[in-house]
Amino acid sequence: NAGVTQTPKFQVLKTGQSMTLQCAQDMNHNSMYWYRQDPGMGLRLIYYSASEGTTDKGEVPNGYNVSRLNKREFSLRLESAAPSQTSVYFCASSETGNPSYEQYFGPGTRLTVT
Amino acid sequence: RKEVEQDPGPFNVPEGATVAFNCTYSNSASQSFFWYRQDCRKEPKLLMSVYSSGNEDGRFTAQLNRASQYISLLIRDSKLSDSATYLCVVDTGRRALTFGSGTRLQVQP
Repeated sequence: NAGVTQTPKFQVLKTGQSMTLQCAQDMNHNSMYWYRQDPGMGLRLIYYSASEGTTDKGEVPNGYNVSRLNKREFSLRLESAAPSQTSVYFCASSETGNPSYEQYFGPGTRLTVT
Repeated sequence: RKEVEQDPGPFNVPEGATVAFNCTYSNSASQSFFWYRQDCRKEPKLLMSVYSSGNEDGRFTAQLNRASQYISLLIRDSKLSDSATYLCVVDTGRRALTFGSGTRLQVQP
C-alpha cells in the first residue's frame, strides 16, 4: 500500500504565482487534512475534510483553498503565493474525523516562495 | 500561551540512557493524547497513544496527568535509532489535533 502520497515533493514559486498541491490516500479513510510545518512552530492545520463533500478551516486558512475531489483526493491551492507561505506542507488522513484516531501523513512538499 | 508546549531540546544522551520528555497542554477539555515521532526531513508517525492509566510499549512509557495537564514520554535503554524529534499531540476539542513544536533527541554512541 502506498498510504498517503503527495506531489510535488519540491517546488519553487515566485511571489504571485499559483499552484496546487496534490494529495491522495489509498486506505479508504474518510477524513483528510492539510498542515504546514515551520521551524519552531509545530504543525499547524490549514484545512481539513471530515468526510467526502465537506471542508472546514483550520488554524491558518488564509491564502489557501482546498478541494475534496473524491474520497481519495484532497488538494490544496495557493492562488497568489507569498514568501510567508514558504514551508513544508503535509497531507494526512484518518479513518474518521474523531481526533482519537491515528493520522497517517504523506512525505511532504517543500515549497519555497521567492 | 501555546496550546501545547514542549522543551525543544536537544536532549543529548548516551546509548543505554533513560530519558524523559514532558509536554503541557492548555485545554482542560482535551480527551485524546499522542506522541508522534518525526525523523529529520520526514513525515510524523504515530509512536503511541497516551491513556489515562498510562501505557507502555517496549522501552517506551507514556503517562498522563490530567490534574496538572501534562503528558510525559519515558524512553529506557536509548538506541541510536531513537534519535528523532518527538511531537506531543493533543486534541483541541474542535475535531482537530494540536501539535507541539517537538523535542529533539540525539542519542550518542
